[in-house]
Amino acid sequence: AQKITQTQPGMFVQEKEAVTLDCTYDTSDPSYGLFWYKQPSSGEMIFLIYQGSYDQQNATEGRYSLNFQKARKSANLVISASQLGDSAMYFCAMRDRNRDDKIIFGKGTRLHILP
Amino acid sequence: KAGVTQTPRYLIKTRGQQVTLSCSPISGHRSVSWYQQTPGQGLQFLFEYFSETQRNKGNFPGRFSGRQFSNSRSEMNVSTLELGDSALYLCASSLGLANTGELFFGEGSRLTVL
Repeated sequence: AQKITQTQPGMFVQEKEAVTLDCTYDTSDPSYGLFWYKQPSSGEMIFLIYQGSYDQQNATEGRYSLNFQKARKSANLVISASQLGDSAMYFCAMRDRNRDDKIIFGKGTRLHILP
Repeated sequence: KAGVTQTPRYLIKTRGQQVTLSCSPISGHRSVSWYQQTPGQGLQFLFEYFSETQRNKGNFPGRFSGRQFSNSRSEMNVSTLELGDSALYLCASSLGLANTGELFFGEGSRLTVL
């Protein structure tokens, strides 16, 4: 069965520092996609970044980058130069293309950026 | 381009009642997924519809059902409500199978069961 694990329930980080949010996944299929979503206190889920299992390079989107280590089944999100507006819940998610293709989510990490 | 619209945003029901939630996806999106979000369990997958057909179903009892119409709008229904059904129900749409599968979420319907 597919599984997503986020081991950090909460993190406190000083503004302007870089942040790494951990995510490990478990799948036996070679074709899958990994996502990160942000959920501010207002509740809406916002897509941040995507990494395909066959992508050769780590995905980057502005201040967000995904540190993809396939052999370790790790897909950590790195936020550079954190801002107060980055305070939110962050969810790692996976879509297994070869199996039932649904997206499953980890339990999330609550990030607090301190001024 | 309008986003995903969920109605109602908030509702209060009592145990034993039933509820229907509605989701209008982004125009052109054919896939609609539903998730239940609670503080203890996080985001749990309910079901996914594509072109009016249920493609996937999560591990929820039969009291939870859904459907998708020809215009891609989707509804989910929960019958015989229980206290544990109190949650934020999120709907998400995507183009379908031919892309990365990025989900676009609505703001959710917050259900409180008393």
